[in-house]
Amino acid sequence: GAVVSQHPSWVICKSGTSVKIECRSLDFQATTMFWYRQFPKQSLMLMATSNEGSKATYEQGVEKDKFLINHASLTLSTLTVTSAHPEDSSFYICSVPGLAGGTDTQYFGPGTRLTVL
Amino acid sequence: GENVEQHPSTLSVQEGDSAVIKCTYSDSASNYFPWYKQELGKGPQLIIDIRSNVGEKKDQRIAVTLNKTAKHFSLHITETQPEDSAVYFCAASWGQGGYQKVTFGTGTKLQVIP
Repeated sequence: GAVVSQHPSWVICKSGTSVKIECRSLDFQATTMFWYRQFPKQSLMLMATSNEGSKATYEQGVEKDKFLINHASLTLSTLTVTSAHPEDSSFYICSVPGLAGGTDTQYFGPGTRLTVL
Repeated sequence: GENVEQHPSTLSVQEGDSAVIKCTYSDSASNYFPWYKQELGKGPQLIIDIRSNVGEKKDQRIAVTLNKTAKHFSLHITETQPEDSAVYFCAASWGQGGYQKVTFGTGTKLQVIP
């Protein structure tokens, strides 16, 4: 299966600052990556689809100007939370489409815990 | 859009017993149903999946069944072990290549008591 890394694994920032989270596909190229957000004891909610070389596609209710996504290469997508506020505190997880045993699925990164003070 | 319901929200079993988690989905077009295990502070890990042209799939102690007519699918874990303790998510999607949007269930926290 695909190996996906995220950096940083956790970050604490002050309200009003911006935070960048990286998602890397380590063993194959990914033209598409997905970004999810997970609040404590809740399920994963898709935020946006990151497309290499083009604009990201955001889910309804997700502010594209607040959550900036850049998919600059086939192995790297970044999510920047701009002007972060305490309500943005969450677990952010990216995923990469991959091929496993003949069935296609998504492989998830280890996640990034964001805490906004 | 797709809606996935998952039950129960919490499940406690004795080590060695079986655990069953059930999910229903709403979109009859969904054709891919993965199950993920998420340990505390980590990303979800695929444990088993099934496509709509298959009714059952088994991998050692875990199995998944799919009833496409009724639009429900279940995860079965036999001979549970303490390391099976985690949150399990079912999911549903349509399409191919892993590029489809995945809708997750609400999660089941499984506790295996030694």
